[in-house]
Amino acid sequence: GAGVSQSPSNKVTEKGKDVELRCDPISGHTALYWYRQSLGQGLEFLIYFQGNSAPDKSGLPSDRFSAERTGGSVSTLTIQRTQQEDSAVYLCASSLAWSGGIYNEQFFGPGTRLTVL
Amino acid sequence: AQTVTQSQPEMSVQEAETVTLSCTYDTSENNYYLFWYKQPPSRQMILVIRQEAYKQQNATENRFSVNFQKAAKSFSLKISDSQLGDTAMYFCAFMKPDSGGGADGLTFGKGTHLIIQP
Repeated sequence: GAGVSQSPSNKVTEKGKDVELRCDPISGHTALYWYRQSLGQGLEFLIYFQGNSAPDKSGLPSDRFSAERTGGSVSTLTIQRTQQEDSAVYLCASSLAWSGGIYNEQFFGPGTRLTVL
Repeated sequence: AQTVTQSQPEMSVQEAETVTLSCTYDTSENNYYLFWYKQPPSRQMILVIRQEAYKQQNATENRFSVNFQKAAKSFSLKISDSQLGDTAMYFCAFMKPDSGGGADGLTFGKGTHLIIQP
């Protein structure tokens, strides 16, 4: 596709349910990023992948959050036992690989709006 | 840890005026990047302009320019000849290369809601 796509665009779930959010990066982009945007916390960086590997998972808010990337392409962010405070817009971005500190722009998807009732 | 502060939650100017959005940041790093992103109601984050910390010259992109003061850790965005389509949330962001030579995630400020009045 032409840009980063995310699905679903909106997700309403009940407290305690598990949800999966999907991100399709731009073809050829080996770096992939997840962010969360909420009224209370603003924009927070969650995790990034270089290929299929996530060097640092410390940005994930709790152990209910996990992310994976397979085949160096699609990534899934999973939230288990959702809580109301998980309600937010989850943004995904991708970029070409960084090497030697050479900058490559992050391109953002339209986000998934998650509402936990 | 890095922090980014935007002290203006909302600004409103008339079309064609010039407006400056403020941003300060705190870091102990010497090599980093700074960005301004625009987020219209569609939610799509769009890169407006970037600045490499090692460059002394301020970045410029058409009507958008920055005033980068490294010692003061200040990074303001100036929009000249503002247009109705500039109405959006504007986020200042910081990024540093990670220890592996790749890029860490962006650290964002809280944002400034800019309204351009007709």
